[in-house]
Amino acid sequence: AQSVSQHNHHVILSEAASLELGCNYSYGGTVNLFWYVQYPGQHLQLLLKYFSGDPLVKGIKGFEAEFIKSKFSFNLRKPSVQWSDTAEYFCAGRRSQGNLIFGKGTKLSVKP
Amino acid sequence: DVKVTQSSRYLVKRTGEKVFLECVQDMDHENMFWYRQDPGLGLRLIYFSYDVKMKEKGDIPEGYSVSREKKERFSLILESASTNQTSMYLCASRPPGLNTEAFFGQGTRLTVV
Repeated sequence: AQSVSQHNHHVILSEAASLELGCNYSYGGTVNLFWYVQYPGQHLQLLLKYFSGDPLVKGIKGFEAEFIKSKFSFNLRKPSVQWSDTAEYFCAGRRSQGNLIFGKGTKLSVKP
Repeated sequence: DVKVTQSSRYLVKRTGEKVFLECVQDMDHENMFWYRQDPGLGLRLIYFSYDVKMKEKGDIPEGYSVSREKKERFSLILESASTNQTSMYLCASRPPGLNTEAFFGQGTRLTVV
């Protein structure tokens, strides 16, 4: 069955620390992967997306993700987090029917 | 900017009531989706639609139905609300094509008492 899993439920970091959030997917065929972010009280926003080509994808607000096919992974990274990055982060993949399947989310808390 | 608008931010309903959650998008997208979001469970797909009058079951359709009479509007219906349907409901839309992203509404927090 197609699935997306996120390794961490809650990550707590201090400002300026580096961030890596894990995401693994388990389906074959065409792989479309996304990272969405939900800031407190706001709607889900797209951070970045991978469809094909360069496996290192750059998104908004200094985030990037690397698609590693051999590891079925699409981890999200940021070299230096800020307090304003406090949010919940969701990894998602597009299924063959065209809808998205989401991971369970990772809450990120950044201490000032 | 794409706008996906959900009619209510907060709703409180009684057990057994029929509940309608409305979603409208202004970008003429063919694809629309309803998800529910619960802590620790992420987003789970309830129903989706590729076109007017067309609907497909998602992963957790039990207790729900949908209606898509017009392209811009996708309604989620709780036939007889129960307390385990207390949740955040998110609507999304997406244009056709492989390399397209989904846009989400603000969500409706439904409490069933």
